[in-house]
Order: sequence, then C-alpha cells, then structure tokens
Amino acid sequence: AQSVTQLGSHVSVSEGALVLLRCNYSSSVPPYLFWYVQYPNQGLQLLLKYTTGATLVKGINGFEAEFKKSETSFHLTKPSAHMSDAAEYFCAVSYGGATNKLIFGTGTLLAVQP
Amino acid sequence: GAGVSQSPSNKVTEKGKDVELRCDPISGHTALYWYRQRLGQGLEFLIYFQGNSAPDKSGLPSDRFSAERTGESVSTLTIQRTQQEDSAVYLCASSWGQTSYEQYFGPGTRLTVT
Repeated sequence: AQSVTQLGSHVSVSEGALVLLRCNYSSSVPPYLFWYVQYPNQGLQLLLKYTTGATLVKGINGFEAEFKKSETSFHLTKPSAHMSDAAEYFCAVSYGGATNKLIFGTGTLLAVQP
Repeated sequence: GAGVSQSPSNKVTEKGKDVELRCDPISGHTALYWYRQRLGQGLEFLIYFQGNSAPDKSGLPSDRFSAERTGESVSTLTIQRTQQEDSAVYLCASSWGQTSYEQYFGPGTRLTVT
C-alpha cells in the first residue's frame, strides 16, 4: 500500500535557523505532493503543492519544497524560522483517480526556540 | 468567503451512544471528504462524495460508520454504538471537483468517547 513517511515526529529549531522537514513516499509512480500546516485547534491549511512542472515549488509563509523523483522525496524547507512557524506539518500524497483522496504522513511538530 | 465549517467543535459521548457530525463545505465545491485524525497519527481517509455519484466508502473502518450528503451541500457523518477507539478529530474537506487537487479543510470535530 502507498505510504508517506515523515522522519522526526518532533523538530526543534532556533528562531532564524533553517527549517528542514523530511517527507518520503513509497510508490514508484510519482504522486501529487502536498504540505499542510495545522495550528492548534485549527484545520489544515495548504502550504504548497506539486502536481506537474517545476520540481521546486514555493508556498506561503516563505516555505518551499523540492520534488526529487529519484529519492521519492518532497522535503519542506524555510531559510529562516520564525516563532509563528511553530505548528504541526503534514506531508500528503494523492494519486488522482476517481477519488483523489489524500494519504498523509504522521506529522512533524515544529518547535521554534527564541 | 466562508470556509468549510463543522459542528459541533467538540463532542463528548458515552460508549454505546450514536453521534452525528456535520460538515458544511465551501459553496460550489462538488467534492467532499471525511478524514479521521487519531492522537499521534496522520489523517486517515474515510469517505468521499462527488456530486451525485455513488460515494467512495472504502475508508470507513466498520459498519458502525456511515455518511450522507444532500446534493452538493451539507454532509453528516454518523457513528453508531460509539467505542473508545472512535475518539479522534474528524475533519471534513471540500474541493472544486474530482480534478481539483487542492482540498480545503474545516476545523474539525473533536470526539471523545468515555
């Protein structure tokens, strides 16, 4: 079965430091790829997505991610962390088809230290 | 414009009782999804509605779970004879349609079964 792996359930960075959240998917068929952010007691908000075209995608709040087919990865980065980035981040994939349902990783809780 | 709304935001119920969770999608969105988020886990797909087509129920964990949608509007997720393992956050998402890859999520309903 297709799956999504997020390495590190908890990541802590200092304010101003690089943020790197890892995501790998299991299928040999390239999926559509997504990163969502969830702030406490809120729903998920789409940060960015890759469907086709340029493999480096830019999203909101200064985040970007690069699709690397050879590594089956879609890691999320941000050059300089801000306190407001503290949240839980979910990587998800979709294989389109009749349902277009999302398959999620287990999430990474990002803490930003002052 | 209004986003996806869900009610109630929190629900505490006794084991064995039935519960109904409601989702109001974004107006004009023909696709609607229900997901479940258990503590420490990613989101699991439950069910998908697309217009007047037969729903994709492949993610429902047992026959105690059912969902309905009236046309392209409100959906209700019903859990009968609730069990403690049903405790989770139930999230609803909607999108423009089958070919739209971006799903918009509601804030969720936190269900606690005591």
